[in-house]
Amino acid sequence: QKEVEQDPGPLSVPEGAIVSLNCTYSNSAFQYFMWYRQYSRKGPELLMYTYSSGNKEDGRFTAQVDKSSKYISLFIRDSQPSDSATYLCAARRPQKLVFGQGTRLTINP
Amino acid sequence: SQTIHQWPATLVQPVGSPLSLECTVEGTSNPNLYWYRQAAGRGLQLLFYSVGIGQISSEVPQNLSASRPQDRQFILSSKKLLLSDSGFYLCAWSKTGNQPQHFGDGTRLSIL
Repeated sequence: QKEVEQDPGPLSVPEGAIVSLNCTYSNSAFQYFMWYRQYSRKGPELLMYTYSSGNKEDGRFTAQVDKSSKYISLFIRDSQPSDSATYLCAARRPQKLVFGQGTRLTINP
Repeated sequence: SQTIHQWPATLVQPVGSPLSLECTVEGTSNPNLYWYRQAAGRGLQLLFYSVGIGQISSEVPQNLSASRPQDRQFILSSKKLLLSDSGFYLCAWSKTGNQPQHFGDGTRLSIL
């Protein structure tokens, strides 16, 4: 079983829709959680970084962590074509950062 | 602000040839440095990380090696490339082991 599981998609939604991206993890030792956005042929770019359970908001992006169910989510409001990318979740435990497979997202104009 | 540079962006090499990919970080000192490989649909696999000059930890035994000759320089090498070494290689840095990692734009390596 992978330590961090993420549905690879692809996911395609119309412009303006609310997007929900999700990951689950299996190890309770994970303490920090991140979301990265990766455009084609580019490196991943850090979007959100959270520690505790609950929500963290940054503009149109909201990261949600539920440590009791080992579930992390990223919500994108008012999605734009420029949000089309692969989104990677990541979880950190001491000495290791583990990434999900990434979800490929397309926002259709 | 901090920046990370990787080169080359694209590389095509024959099987059995050597490899040297370079990564440099600017705007910070004594960063943690990382090399990852990203295969299609398989996420990021950590290959090596370094907490200081000359200190290299290997996560996956394989045909590759890493070196850190200077504080902000990280090099990924191979003496003889295999077909299975093809992939997208990413360098990353973080201020400490607990801080988020920041990535370069990668090198796409194709082995013929």
